[in-house]
Amino acid sequence: AQTIHQWPVAEIKAVGSPLSLGCTIKGKSSPNLYWYWQATGGTLQQLFYSITVGQVESVVQLNLSASRPKDDQFILSTEKLLLSHSGFYLCAWSLRGGGQDTQYFGPGTRLLVL
Amino acid sequence: GEQVEQLPSILRVQERSSASINCTYENSASNYFPWYKQEPGENPKLIIDIRSNMERKQIQGLIVLLDKKAKRFSLHITDTQPADSAMYFCAASNTGANTGKLTFGHGTILRVHP
Repeated sequence: AQTIHQWPVAEIKAVGSPLSLGCTIKGKSSPNLYWYWQATGGTLQQLFYSITVGQVESVVQLNLSASRPKDDQFILSTEKLLLSHSGFYLCAWSLRGGGQDTQYFGPGTRLLVL
Repeated sequence: GEQVEQLPSILRVQERSSASINCTYENSASNYFPWYKQEPGENPKLIIDIRSNMERKQIQGLIVLLDKKAKRFSLHITDTQPADSAMYFCAASNTGANTGKLTFGHGTILRVHP
């Protein structure tokens, strides 16, 4: 069965500091991967998606970047955090090709920027 | 792009009654409509979805209706229980675009009172 992990579980960071969040998925070969952001009590905003290693498409610019260094790994990062980056970051996956529409979310990382 | 409107934002019902959440979308090319349930502090979990080749789908006490002409879809929870209390999100996607772009509504907080 597939499992999706996100790290860290939670972070408290200072404005202007760098950030790196990670996501790994096991049990699925070549999945599509996605990053989402959710403000407290808010909706889910898709940030990035990737269909293969080394290829990342940006959906919304929030002074964040993403990379896919391995087939099973997706990284979200920034060199300088803003207060507005606080929220819940969710990684999601879907199958490649047919059936790629159904997305499943990881456990998420809570970020508080002070 | 796609826009998804979701109403109501808050829904309070008595236990064992039914609850209905309505969503509308703008892009006539959207053909996949999932519903997610998110409990406090948790990640969103897929509970039911419907594709454009169907008008109705039921999984136990969950019913989804799709009216493509009106660009409207809805979730109906029959015989609600306090455990159904959560945030619910609808979403829409055009799977033909092969981007995995999923646009979410703003969510409905459902409170089921004993």
